[in-house]
Amino acid sequence: DSGVTQTPKHLITATGQRVTLRCSPRSGDLSVYWYQQSLDQGLQFLIQYYNGEERAKGNILERFSAQQFPDLHSELNLSSLELGDSALYFCASSSRHSNSPLHFGNGTRLTVT
Amino acid sequence: ILNVEQSPQSLHVQEGDSTNFTCSFPSSNFYALHWYRWETAKSPEALFVMTLNGDEKKKGRISATLNTKEGYSYLYIKGSQPEDSATYLCAFPDNTNAGKSTFGDGTTLTVKP
Repeated sequence: DSGVTQTPKHLITATGQRVTLRCSPRSGDLSVYWYQQSLDQGLQFLIQYYNGEERAKGNILERFSAQQFPDLHSELNLSSLELGDSALYFCASSSRHSNSPLHFGNGTRLTVT
Repeated sequence: ILNVEQSPQSLHVQEGDSTNFTCSFPSSNFYALHWYRWETAKSPEALFVMTLNGDEKKKGRISATLNTKEGYSYLYIKGSQPEDSATYLCAFPDNTNAGKSTFGDGTTLTVKP
């Protein structure tokens, strides 16, 4: 158990809809990262939050947004969903020590129909 | 865009075989290299954090080496067991933000009993 909690585990929705994915980092970790894994693609970095502030942005679409709340949990909002948004979305957290690896949640499998 | 490549893409071995696979990464601005193991229906778990040229890390039957000058790392599994079946990912962290990692596409290992 990595200590990172993600909900829901599965999500099925229709094109054009909006969904929210939720993540709670490991106790003591201030950073939360969101990654996407689409079919036949590796893990792609989307966005990072550190202690409530956006720290880094990757290949995140404008239709997607995220935030980190005072209790450090994070939400990834995906709107105007398209079929191509179907993917596995991972949240990860890490300690403040340099070189620390990521600790991943179990992921949310999003299917857009 | 960083290029992190893993080979082979997949590998099928018999129980008891030893095996190895490669991760290649940019040799300039090296900061660290992370290896993860990703079992089916689970989340990626960190195996090794490699930081120094010539590093060699070991965990049971799995070991990894690092050559930062030529930009590659090898992962070795000695006497493969069916429970070693997984996708092995390497990740190249950003040198200013370790969690913002570029992941390779992984090597999927299947060990047949």
